[in-house]
Amino acid sequence: ETGVTQSPTHLIKTRGQQVTLRCSSQSGHNTVSWYQQALGQGPQFIFQYYREEENGRGNFPPRFSGLQFPNYSSELNVNALELDDSALYLCASSSGLANEQFFGPGTRLTVL
Amino acid sequence: TQLLEQSPQFLSIQEGENLTVYCNSSSVFSSLQWYRQEPGEGPVLLVTVVTGGEVKKLKRLTFQFGDARKDSSLHITAAQPGDTGLYLCAGELPTGNQFYFGTGTSLTVIP
Repeated sequence: ETGVTQSPTHLIKTRGQQVTLRCSSQSGHNTVSWYQQALGQGPQFIFQYYREEENGRGNFPPRFSGLQFPNYSSELNVNALELDDSALYLCASSSGLANEQFFGPGTRLTVL
Repeated sequence: TQLLEQSPQFLSIQEGENLTVYCNSSSVFSSLQWYRQEPGEGPVLLVTVVTGGEVKKLKRLTFQFGDARKDSSLHITAAQPGDTGLYLCAGELPTGNQFYFGTGTSLTVIP
């Protein structure tokens, strides 16, 4: 059984650029949630995808968008990057809407 | 405003000591989870509690969900250096679809 994987591991961008982060869910999982974790803080919920549809969204602006593909992998896109977007971006997968989530190692994004 | 507040924020103790971490909210949750996160890694699920008053034990770790399902605690007995990490609670609101994480408790166990 393969766990949740994310790519890239680290990324450096400049303000105003766009970024795409990728997540492969654990085998058998059809739900993916994305979180932003600033240094020294708990993760903040961005949005969740269930069977390719957005199924809930946190308090993030529209420049944060996502996709889920038929194989249940997912992308997080962030446009017009700001310095405050620097954070660890975590992806978590689960089976259906069950409450047990499994997290990937995260992508560390630095915006200069 | 943070939905879930954890205390203490930082904790440094000697190996063998006991400790308790608290997770408090004014909101009711349908379930609450505890995670441990190590630097450079994603959070790892320790336990899920669903019923008010529920107590779960995982070796030296004891988790309790408050009767009103608004708070939780994590008690570690005889802490070991391997327990070092960031402990996070996360609650799921009855409306579902979102987990709200606490502010985190950074635990350091000194050998």
